[in-house]
Amino acid sequence: QKEVEQNSGPLSVPEGAIASLNCTYSDRGSQSFFWYRQYSGKSPELIMFIYSNGDKEDGRFTAQLNKASQYVSLLIRDSQPSDSATYLCAVKDTSGGYQKVTFGTGTKLQVIP
Amino acid sequence: DTEVTQTPKHLVMGMTNKKSLKCEQHMGHRAMYWYKQKAKKPPELMFVYSYEKLSINESVPSRFSPECPNSSLLNLHLHALQPEDSALYLCASSQDQPQPQHFGDGTRLSIL
Repeated sequence: QKEVEQNSGPLSVPEGAIASLNCTYSDRGSQSFFWYRQYSGKSPELIMFIYSNGDKEDGRFTAQLNKASQYVSLLIRDSQPSDSATYLCAVKDTSGGYQKVTFGTGTKLQVIP
Repeated sequence: DTEVTQTPKHLVMGMTNKKSLKCEQHMGHRAMYWYKQKAKKPPELMFVYSYEKLSINESVPSRFSPECPNSSLLNLHLHALQPEDSALYLCASSQDQPQPQHFGDGTRLSIL
């Protein structure tokens, strides 16, 4: 059973701080990793994706991937109250020919004004 | 606004009704997905269509029946649902693996 683990939170950070969200995965062969943001009652929205070891930056968001340690993280700089949401980590299944991703249970982020 | 459009946004139906959920995308994506999401849980994959052919069925009960009429459309036909089927049903699409999936706004389904 392939697993994607996230701390459910809530993770509370003050406005303007850096929020650090972490995710570990069990399938050592996984190659594709995604972060989604989901506001309460809404659908998941793609924030970042990363395929290679290292950092990938997009505006206030940075995704970090370490395949040797099997973790992927999302950093949110200058956190805003509008960033308050559940962040879902998703890892693509390595089974041949499949488009399946496994989602973590999500981390709830609260940005305190 | 999302580029994956789902209708209806809300649906209330009795256990004996037949209804359909619809999903449309015009991004040229060749893979389309149905997910079910219960409150405070992650999306749970139901079906995957790749190039209009069903490629994944995650052991979903037969009261859910998917259909992919063409590369832009995906339907989910519902019949004789149970109260525990009440959930947010999400459609997603992707260019192909390993490209990320883009979700529609979902249909919130309530079974009476």
